[in-house]
Formats: sequence, C-alpha cells, structure tokens
Amino acid sequence: GQQLNQSPQSMFIQEGEDVSMNCTSSSIFNTWLWYKQDPGEGPVLLIALYKAGELTSNGRLTAQFGITRKDSFLNISASIPSDVGIYFCAGPRVASYGKLTFGQGTILTVHP
Amino acid sequence: DVKVTQSSRYLVKRTGEKVFLECVQDMDHENMFWYRQDPGLGLRLIYFSYDVKMKEKGDIPEGYSVSREKKERFSLILESASTNQTSMYLCASTSPPGGAVYGYTFGSGTRLTVV
Repeated sequence: GQQLNQSPQSMFIQEGEDVSMNCTSSSIFNTWLWYKQDPGEGPVLLIALYKAGELTSNGRLTAQFGITRKDSFLNISASIPSDVGIYFCAGPRVASYGKLTFGQGTILTVHP
Repeated sequence: DVKVTQSSRYLVKRTGEKVFLECVQDMDHENMFWYRQDPGLGLRLIYFSYDVKMKEKGDIPEGYSVSREKKERFSLILESASTNQTSMYLCASTSPPGGAVYGYTFGSGTRLTVV
C-alpha cells in the first residue's frame, strides 16, 4: 500500500532556529496534509496542500507540495518553545475514499 | 468547531479484560476512525466506519472490533486485552464530500495501559 516516509524522526533545536522536515512517498498523492500533535493531545491540522508546486503559509509555518507529487516539505521559521510536539504528514489513500495515510512523525524539541 | 470527545484520557486494564473505548462527535460526520499511535510507527488505522452500523477493517484490526449504533458514537472494543495493545488510541471524524481531502478532526486520545 501507499506509505509515507517522514524525516527526520526527531529534531532538537534552539529557540529562534528555523526547522525543515519532509515527507516522501513512492506513489503520487493529490493532497498533502500537515498535522501537529501537542503533548497529550490529538493531532490538529496545520496546512493542507492541493496542487503540485503549491506553497502555503500559516503564520511561521510554510509547506510546499512537491512538483513530482511524491513529496512535501514543512518549514517552521524562528521556532519558539510552543512549537514542541510531533508533526505528521498525511495524504488520502488512492481508491479508498475517506482514509488517510500518515507518516511516522517528526518529534520536535525546542530548547529555550 | 467540531468536537470529537474520547471518554477517557487514561485507562489501565488487566490482561484478558474486555475494554471499551468510546468516541463521540458533535458535527453529524458520517466517517469515523480509530487509530493507534506508537512511537516510530505513526498513526495506524484500526477500523473505519462510514455510516451507522457500517464498518470496515483498517490496517491492523486483529484483536479489535467496533460498534456504531448511532451516527455520533463510535466504540472500539478490545475483546481480550493484551500487553501489546498498550498504546495511545485516537478517534477521528470527517464528512464527505471531500472527506479525507480536508483532513480529520481528532479527539484528545486515550492512553491505554494493559498490565
């Protein structure tokens, strides 16, 4: 089935640094979603991408839909302590309406 | 805002017990899901329901069953809990048209420990 490979698995950064993470797949996705999960909570949708090449921002977060449709990137600028959490990429499964495939997640730790 | 409410944040159960995890959503969504989350494995789909009394197995249904008697409620059942079912369980919902394309709304999760 479709799989999403997310990297890095974890990141330890200083407050104020920029962060980049990515998600790749061996098959094409027509939609890319990025979620954040705060400690002890469920994931919350951050950004949705619907078109190859699309670049979308949400505050300090910017995500891009790769031209090949097989990858997506999430950048966080000027990180702050509340950026701590797990970031997941996700995409709708082909011929399986309603189901999402999730990446393994990137655990972000921000040191003040 | 859509709310997905999971009845328990933390549960501790004994091996062999029958365990019920409850999930309720308040926005009349047709589709509901149960995932489990384990470190390094991301979110894995256990079961999916697209309507009342309708269900479909996900990627890891073994050892689990589900019940959807009312549209707003989707229950996950561990028939005989085992230690390898210790995990975080997440419920989610969404609604067609669009469904997964617009993302899910998740509950806060239930952290289940089986001892």
